[in-house]
Amino acid sequence: EVQLVESGGGLVQPGGSLRLSCAASGFTFSSYSMNWVRQAPGKGLEWVSYISSSSSTIYYADSVKGRFTISRDNAKNSLYLQMNSLRAEDTAVYYCARAMIVDDAFDIWGQGTMVTVSS
Amino acid sequence: QSVLTQPPSVSGAPGQRVTISCTGSSSNIGAGYDVHWYQQLPGTAPKLLIYGNSNRPSGVPDRFSGSKSGTSASLAISGLQAEDEADYYCQSYDSSLSGSVFGGGTKLTVL
Repeated sequence: EVQLVESGGGLVQPGGSLRLSCAASGFTFSSYSMNWVRQAPGKGLEWVSYISSSSSTIYYADSVKGRFTISRDNAKNSLYLQMNSLRAEDTAVYYCARAMIVDDAFDIWGQGTMVTVSS
Repeated sequence: QSVLTQPPSVSGAPGQRVTISCTGSSSNIGAGYDVHWYQQLPGTAPKLLIYGNSNRPSGVPDRFSGSKSGTSASLAISGLQAEDEADYYCQSYDSSLSGSVFGGGTKLTVL
């Protein structure tokens, strides 16, 4: 079964750091570009970051640029999001999502992991 | 303020047809980038509904269809069913932002 499972969420104080992980299974992880998308409580979807299959191309939303770092380990079938200098407005469910090879739509999503930034 | 504009809500009776619009600009939809649509049921992760403007992934009923013209796109749902009640999001790529952008989402209520 094709699956993405996020982990690493939790409660963190403003200014703190957190590292999210996304474990992929059921497909050739190294062939696909990956993304992080977040959703604040009661709000819509917000794209956060993109990484190509070989890590050669990386993009960030302006709202997280300079604070978040996306990375991947194809040998471990894993995607990561290192989040530093966290703010209250970063509170959200964070989803990892696979981009289709034939298009850039996100065809597989994880169940999400909740990140709460609060003192 | 989302880069792609969707109506906050739409509604329809069972069996009816509804459409959800997604309006962008010359740096995203108008630049020729594909539009994709997602369905998010309460408490669940989004699910891909339409990709490449009008293509349905395997398993998505043909009651769902997508189209694109100029700087806008639309999702049509025919033969409305109670289980279609969900939030719907459009997505595209924006060249000025160098990244994906989502619409603000549309809540569909089946009356």
